[in-house]
Amino acid sequence: AQSVTQPDIHITVSEGASLELRCNYSYGATPYLFWYVQSPGQGLQLLLKYFSGDTLVQGIKGFEAEFKRSQSSFNLRKPSVHWSDAAEYFCAVGGYNQGGKLIFGQGTELSVKP
Amino acid sequence: GAGVSQSPSNKVTEKGKDVELRCDPISGHTALYWYRQSLGQGLEFLIYFQGNSAPDKSGLPSDRFSAERTGGSVSTLTIQRTQQEDSAVYLCASSLVAPGGETQYFGPGTRLLVL
Repeated sequence: AQSVTQPDIHITVSEGASLELRCNYSYGATPYLFWYVQSPGQGLQLLLKYFSGDTLVQGIKGFEAEFKRSQSSFNLRKPSVHWSDAAEYFCAVGGYNQGGKLIFGQGTELSVKP
Repeated sequence: GAGVSQSPSNKVTEKGKDVELRCDPISGHTALYWYRQSLGQGLEFLIYFQGNSAPDKSGLPSDRFSAERTGGSVSTLTIQRTQQEDSAVYLCASSLVAPGGETQYFGPGTRLLVL
C-alpha cells in the first residue's frame, strides 16, 4: 500500500542554519511527490513537486528537494532558515494510478530559534 | 475568487446533529478533493470529484459521510449523526484536472468541533 513516512515529528533549528526534513515513501509505480507547508491557522501551500526528469527540484521560498529512487526518499532542504519558516511541513505522494488523491505523511513541525 | 474558499470557518455542533460543510473551488478547476486533518490521524483523503466522472469515495470513513458536487463547481460535505471523533479540520482542495500530477490548491479549512 502507498504510504509516506516523515520520521521527525518536531525539529528545532537556529535561524540561519541549514535544514533538512526527511521523507520516505512507499509506492508501487512512478510516484509524484510533493512538499506542502502549513502555517498556523492557514491552509496548505505547495512548496515544490516532482513528476519526472531532474531529480533535484527547486521550489518557492528558497526550498529544494531531491528525489532518490534507490532510497525511496524525497528530502526537503534549505541552506539558511528564516524565522518565518516556522511551520508544519507535509510530504505527500500521488500517482497516475490513484487519480488525484494524495497520501500525506504525518508532518514535521519546524521551530526556529533566534 | 482567487483561491479555494470554505464555509463556515468554524462549526460547533452537538453529538448526533447533521452538519454541512461547503467548498468553492478555483474557477475552471475540474477536480475537487476533501481531506480531513485530525490530531490522531494526520491528513486523510476522503473523496474526490473529477468532472462528470463518478467520485472516488474510497476514503470516506463511514456511511455517515457523503459529498456532492453540483454543476461541476461547489461541493458540500455532509456528516450525519455527528460523533465526537468527527472533530477535525476539513480541508477542500481543487486542481485543474486529476491525472495524478496536478497541483492541488487548498482552502483554509473548516474546523469542526462535536460536543
